[in-house]
Amino acid sequence: ETGVTQTPRHLVMGMTNKKSLKCEQHLGHNAMYWYKQSAKKPLELMFVYSLEERVENNSVPSRFSPECPNSSHLFLHLHTLQPEDSALYLCASSQEAGDPYNEQFFGPGTRLTVL
Amino acid sequence: GQNIDQPTEMTATEGAIVQINCTYQTSGFNGLFWYQQHAGEAPTFLSYNVLDGLEEKGRFSSFLSRSKGYSYLLLKELQMKDSASYLCAVADSNYQLIWGAGTKLIIKP
Repeated sequence: ETGVTQTPRHLVMGMTNKKSLKCEQHLGHNAMYWYKQSAKKPLELMFVYSLEERVENNSVPSRFSPECPNSSHLFLHLHTLQPEDSALYLCASSQEAGDPYNEQFFGPGTRLTVL
Repeated sequence: GQNIDQPTEMTATEGAIVQINCTYQTSGFNGLFWYQQHAGEAPTFLSYNVLDGLEEKGRFSSFLSRSKGYSYLLLKELQMKDSASYLCAVADSNYQLIWGAGTKLIIKP
């Protein structure tokens, strides 16, 4: 495996379900990110982790709970979501968080539908 | 507030040239990025500008004017595979990327 991988690629869940999104990066990067991408809207940064420490939480509702057990893995735990949370959830990684040149490498995303 | 503006959609002809503009207002500036995103796929890095001027990379070029808060992405010799969304993003004073909504580019034969 190379680059950034995400599972599952598609997820349909009810509002009372609990599910988790998984991201894995094989690039040796120290920073990982969760983004939400809704149709015709800018990418919304949700969380930033640097060396497994959360460095940014952009006012994300508590029904989204991130976990970073090591610098290669990132999870997004979901519970009691709302239909408006339906979107593409993208994971990304970069060499360091806070570098001036901060090219990010993205995974293919998880298309989430909340019924 | 922070704001990135780019056209929602553009159409161009195969073999032609197209320029996608991006204007920004951010708290601080640590560089501007262009990413390409094909439908249903991950965004992929195209270019990074931090100094004024033109950066050329094959058929793609990116220009930056920091005094005007303006950038453009120039695509030459358009190919059908260039049909995609093009995302402009600015690294702010905290080095976080502020993203535009993207420009959907449609290439016609």
